[in-house]
Amino acid sequence: DTAVSQTPKYLVTQMGNDKSIKCEQNLGHDTMYWYKQDSKKFLKIMFSYNNKELIINETVPNRFSPKSPDKAHLNLHINSLELGDSAVYFCASSPRGLGGTEAFFGQGTRLTVV
Amino acid sequence: AQSVAQPEDQVNVAEGNPLTVKCTYSVSGNPYLFWYVQYPNRGLQFLLKYITGDNLVKGSYGFEAEFNKSQTSFHLKKPSALVSDSALYFCAVRDEGFQKLVFGTGTRLLVSP
Repeated sequence: DTAVSQTPKYLVTQMGNDKSIKCEQNLGHDTMYWYKQDSKKFLKIMFSYNNKELIINETVPNRFSPKSPDKAHLNLHINSLELGDSAVYFCASSPRGLGGTEAFFGQGTRLTVV
Repeated sequence: AQSVAQPEDQVNVAEGNPLTVKCTYSVSGNPYLFWYVQYPNRGLQFLLKYITGDNLVKGSYGFEAEFNKSQTSFHLKKPSALVSDSALYFCAVRDEGFQKLVFGTGTRLLVSP
């Protein structure tokens, strides 16, 4: 019974294409996140949503657009993909407003842009 | 701004020996501190956290961590390492006033038989 699930697990696409990564959590959490892990394994937050409302938007190109249709889902759409977008993207969730609670992570989506 | 430093890219230890993975942090308020582990081609798994209370916290798989406020450190420890502990370990901090969880650069732990 997967808590945070992402699809697809692997995504290979050409430069210039548009792609989406989906994320769903069944933990009843209010807050969801997208993190990017680059080739050096650095983890950096991209976005955070609280109950469908954007609360964190780091310095991310506007080609990246998160969409939260409901609090259990946070999808990431990427336009005009570039080689530098190749990375592993992790979705995560946590209860809202409880800073001491841990975040739960999905298995990641490995995006390769060729 | 919150930040986390993991000064070691890699830690090597022999199986059965104690291990320590170092982490220091910087926050403006009270810190919430976390350790996560990442196995190859997997997501991040939560190991343990410090919120308040005892400075020594115990977590999954026999790991523990010691919170030291004066040194702003939260080092991960295990009394006896296993080969299966070999993985990438991340320290993370969240300022009590913010939702953002900030990660360190990660430390690769290699336990040799």
